[in-house]
Amino acid sequence: NAGVTQTPKFRVLKTGQSMTLLCAQDMNHEYMYWYRQDPGMGLRLIHYSVGEGTTAKGEVPDGYNVSRLKKQNFLLGLESAAPSQTSVYFCASNPGISNEQYFGPGTRLTVT
Amino acid sequence: RKEVEQDPGPFNVPEGATVAFNCTYSNSASQSFFWYRQDCRKEPKLLMSVYSSGNEDGRFTAQLNRASQYISLLIRDSKLSDSATYLCVVNYVGDYKLSFGAGTTVTVRA
Repeated sequence: NAGVTQTPKFRVLKTGQSMTLLCAQDMNHEYMYWYRQDPGMGLRLIHYSVGEGTTAKGEVPDGYNVSRLKKQNFLLGLESAAPSQTSVYFCASNPGISNEQYFGPGTRLTVT
Repeated sequence: RKEVEQDPGPFNVPEGATVAFNCTYSNSASQSFFWYRQDCRKEPKLLMSVYSSGNEDGRFTAQLNRASQYISLLIRDSKLSDSATYLCVVNYVGDYKLSFGAGTTVTVRA
């Protein structure tokens, strides 16, 4: 099992550009999450999904969109990147909310 | 007020020492508690769940105090490899999301 994988690992964008981050899990988990982590602020939830075809907003959803067309994939889109979106993005999944949450290795995004 | 608050540290301790730190949570309707470990520039990983009666996993002991709304983590006989940031995580009844603290940094020195 690969667990949770994220693509790409690093990316530099210019302000106004768009991109999609891909998260894939091979554990048949129902729940998937996108977080961003900034120094001193801990993990903040952007969007999450409780099953294929469902998505919901988290704590900091503005400027991001998501889709969960297949159970194993959760995509995070930035329509028009801003410097404030420079961060480390983590994807995570778990089979149920009381269970261990498994994280991907992260995507380091810089917006100039 | 943040839902989950932690002392950011850092806690600098010598090898072999005991170090302990707390985390407070604001919502009394909580059901699940966890400690995660995060190494520098790596993803968080589950260290241990925290049960109402308290629990141990080797050198690590976690306690839950529902009345005062805090959980604690104690590390005995610290190793250099224990140097990391420890994240306090809470889940509330009926919520699909986890709430993360900002983390407590522990540095163990030789």
